[in-house]
Amino acid sequence: AQSVSQHNHHVILSEAASLELGCNYSYGGTVNLFWYVQYPGQHLQLLLKYFSGDPLVKGIKGFEAEFIKSKFSFNLRKPSVQWSDTAEYFCAVNGEGYQKVTFGIGTKLQVIP
Amino acid sequence: GAVVSQHPSWVICKSGTSVKIECRSLDFQATTMFWYRQFPKQSLMLMATSNEGSKATYEQGVEKDKFLINHASLTLSTLTVTSAHPEDSSFYICSVGGGGNQPQHFGDGTRLSIL
Repeated sequence: AQSVSQHNHHVILSEAASLELGCNYSYGGTVNLFWYVQYPGQHLQLLLKYFSGDPLVKGIKGFEAEFIKSKFSFNLRKPSVQWSDTAEYFCAVNGEGYQKVTFGIGTKLQVIP
Repeated sequence: GAVVSQHPSWVICKSGTSVKIECRSLDFQATTMFWYRQFPKQSLMLMATSNEGSKATYEQGVEKDKFLINHASLTLSTLTVTSAHPEDSSFYICSVGGGGNQPQHFGDGTRLSIL
């Protein structure tokens, strides 16, 4: 079985602060990893994904995530957040070859102007 | 990516009513669609995998007679919550795609409130 753990449930930052959201997964084989974002009143959107290759993945809007296999982690980072980054962020995993995706509980990010 | 349309976006109805939610894949022929449920302050939980032309695959603990899924075409899957009760109130989201190296694409979700 696969599972995902997100450590921070609610994060409040001032604009220009740096962001790191933790994500750890549990799965015995090769995984595909995702970060999704849900802005207020909108649907889930893909922020970035990792399938293979360079473990440092760059996504939209200046976000990046690093896959560290030894730590089963896929933390999301952004050097300088903006008010418009206020949203809920979900880490997700699916074992290679499977369509079933497991989501973390989500982290609400609030950026204060 | 795939464009997914979900309808209705919000439903309020009385206990005992059956409610149908539609999920359409507008630009992608989807042999598989997924139905998720999200309770407040909780993650998305996969309820079932909808398979075009065959029976849906339900996750453990999800009552298949309560949550009827029909995937009659490559662009439409429906979820019917039968005889809904207040505990069925939740946010239901469908998705399309996934598998291999492809991410899933999500509908806007349906907020179901049972009085």
